[in-house]
Amino acid sequence: NAGVTQTPKFQVLKTGQSMTLQCAQDMNHNSMYWYRQDPGMGLRLIYYSASEGTTDKGEVPNGYNVSRLNKREFSLRLESAAPSQTSVYFCASSGNTGELFFGEGSRLTVL
Amino acid sequence: EDQVTQSPEALRLQEGESSSLNCSYTVSGLRGLFWYRQDPGKGPEFLFTLYSAGEEKEKERLKATLTKKESFLHITAPKPEDSATYLCAVRVNDYKLSFGAGTTVTVRA
Repeated sequence: NAGVTQTPKFQVLKTGQSMTLQCAQDMNHNSMYWYRQDPGMGLRLIYYSASEGTTDKGEVPNGYNVSRLNKREFSLRLESAAPSQTSVYFCASSGNTGELFFGEGSRLTVL
Repeated sequence: EDQVTQSPEALRLQEGESSSLNCSYTVSGLRGLFWYRQDPGKGPEFLFTLYSAGEEKEKERLKATLTKKESFLHITAPKPEDSATYLCAVRVNDYKLSFGAGTTVTVRA
């Protein structure tokens, strides 16, 4: 049982390049989330998907787009990467009990 | 504004030296307070959920308690494997958790 799987684990981009972070969960959860984690700032919600077919902005959505491809998969896209988007990105999912289950993270550096 | 503050930022303990971590929060209508453990290079791992003042949860050497304004994570007789960053979060609506910055605990043998 893999839980929440994110790819890639590491990525280096140049300013202006685009990329997509992939996330898949195998727990049959309805809700999925993308967070970013920066030193001293805690986890901040970028976008979430309450259920298949819906997506909503979180606290820090600017510069990002998301796609809920199906119940299992939720991707995060950076259209034109900026150094301020250097961070660790976590995908998470939740079921009826409300607690979040996180992936192992994707470490992104934008030069 | 919903806010979660954790203290201290870092805690260094000797093996067996019990201590407590604090999570203070301001949120209109608490709908759950969560504790997570995060190891270096890993994603947060769920520990506890608390819903009402006076509630307590325990798991091995960890015990979480909740009042109307704060939560404590007590670590009793810690071992080196308890070294991690402990995150606190409060649910502010159906889909949003507001996280604190975490307390990094280091337990020396």
